Amino acid sequence: NAGVMQNPRHLVRRRGQEARLRCSPMKGHSHVYWYRQLPEEGLKFMVYLQKENIIDESGMPKERFSAEFPKEGPSILRIQQVVRGDSAAYFCASSPDRAEAFFGQGTRLTVV
Amino acid sequence: AQTVTQSQPEMSVQEAETVTLSCTYDTSESDYYLFWYKQPPSRQMILVIRQEAYKQQNATENRFSVNFQKAAKSFSLKISDSQLGDAAMYFCAYGGANSKLTFGKGITLSVRP
Repeated sequence: NAGVMQNPRHLVRRRGQEARLRCSPMKGHSHVYWYRQLPEEGLKFMVYLQKENIIDESGMPKERFSAEFPKEGPSILRIQQVVRGDSAAYFCASSPDRAEAFFGQGTRLTVV
Repeated sequence: AQTVTQSQPEMSVQEAETVTLSCTYDTSESDYYLFWYKQPPSRQMILVIRQEAYKQQNATENRFSVNFQKAAKSFSLKISDSQLGDAAMYFCAYGGANSKLTFGKGITLSVRP
């Protein structure tokens, strides 16, 4: 059973471009979470999704950020018109329930 | 809202010795989970140990154990017989009814050979 797969591992974008981060949860997991980690800090919750539904997006910035988890395919975190402050590591986690979350290796986004 | 506090930014331990990492949290919920995650330089988040709040018995996983004091809202991690591979960032995390995790700022653990 493959773990949570995130790609790309590293992503470089110029200011104003769009960034798309992908996450394939573990097989059988229907809960997906996205977290952001700024340098020297812990992970901060962004959004919680189940298949085709956003359950909790209280950690998502109001503008430029969106997330989806379609019926088929990976979950996508989209950042439009990126700015330097978006540079961070973005982690996806999946779980079958709330007892344990399995994390991917993260995507490091660098905005130049 | 829940908060998790790790007040020590870094600690150091001699190989084969024991070290305790501190964590406190604040919540009004009665049913929740607590976790310790390890993040080595590879950035992978690795679950070290978890504790269900309704269980009085402290969780143990091989060399890792916790001291869970529910009334004091304290959740410390003890690493026994420290190994060089234990060097990493360690994050304490809270998981409540809404399933999302709230993390502390982390502590950098170094192990001296």
